[in-house]
Amino acid sequence: GNSVTQMEGPVTLSEEAFLTINCTYTATGYPSLFWYVQYPGEGLQLLLKATKADDKGSNKGFEATYRKETTSFHLEKGSVQVSDSAVYFCALSQEIWGAGTKLIIKP
Amino acid sequence: EPEVTQTPSHQVTQMGQEVILRCVPISNHLYFYWYRQILGQKVEFLVSFYNNEISEKSEIFDDQFSVERPDGSNFTLKIRSTKLEDSAMYFCASRPGTAGAYGYTFGSGTRLTVV
Repeated sequence: GNSVTQMEGPVTLSEEAFLTINCTYTATGYPSLFWYVQYPGEGLQLLLKATKADDKGSNKGFEATYRKETTSFHLEKGSVQVSDSAVYFCALSQEIWGAGTKLIIKP
Repeated sequence: EPEVTQTPSHQVTQMGQEVILRCVPISNHLYFYWYRQILGQKVEFLVSFYNNEISEKSEIFDDQFSVERPDGSNFTLKIRSTKLEDSAMYFCASRPGTAGAYGYTFGSGTRLTVV
């Protein structure tokens, strides 16, 4: 069946470091892929999405490319800030969510 | 910007009691969802609702749970005979369009504590 696997956290980086959070999926067909973010003490927000292969979603300096050949949707940011500290969830359609990756950015 | 509104923000209930969690989705949205997140754990899909009926539900969404859109604006989740393990954040979400193309707008959640 369909599934999503995210890298385990926490991921701890220094400010201005390069970020990659891995997400791979197993799916039949061509589902849309999403990254959601949950800031401390807050609800869920859509960060970015991609609806078909080779699409790149981007928002707030974050990017992720829908790669069918590697069944991946890795989240990247070139220079992280302390304010990016949050839990990031990769999701495949509305039903299948990854376990979340906690990101901690140290000043 | 339009919001999904959830009430109450925090609900404490005794084990065995019934609770109703309320959501007001964005007005022109057509698809509605409930998710839960047990503290510090992953987000779990419960149910999706479209055209006044359940379109998908997870294994978690058993006979203890029900959803309703009673008046065209509210979207409620009822949990009968609550158990300690029902303690979690419950998130409502809605979206406007056809499958997959849109992300969801989430409410800020209701923290349910069963004691």
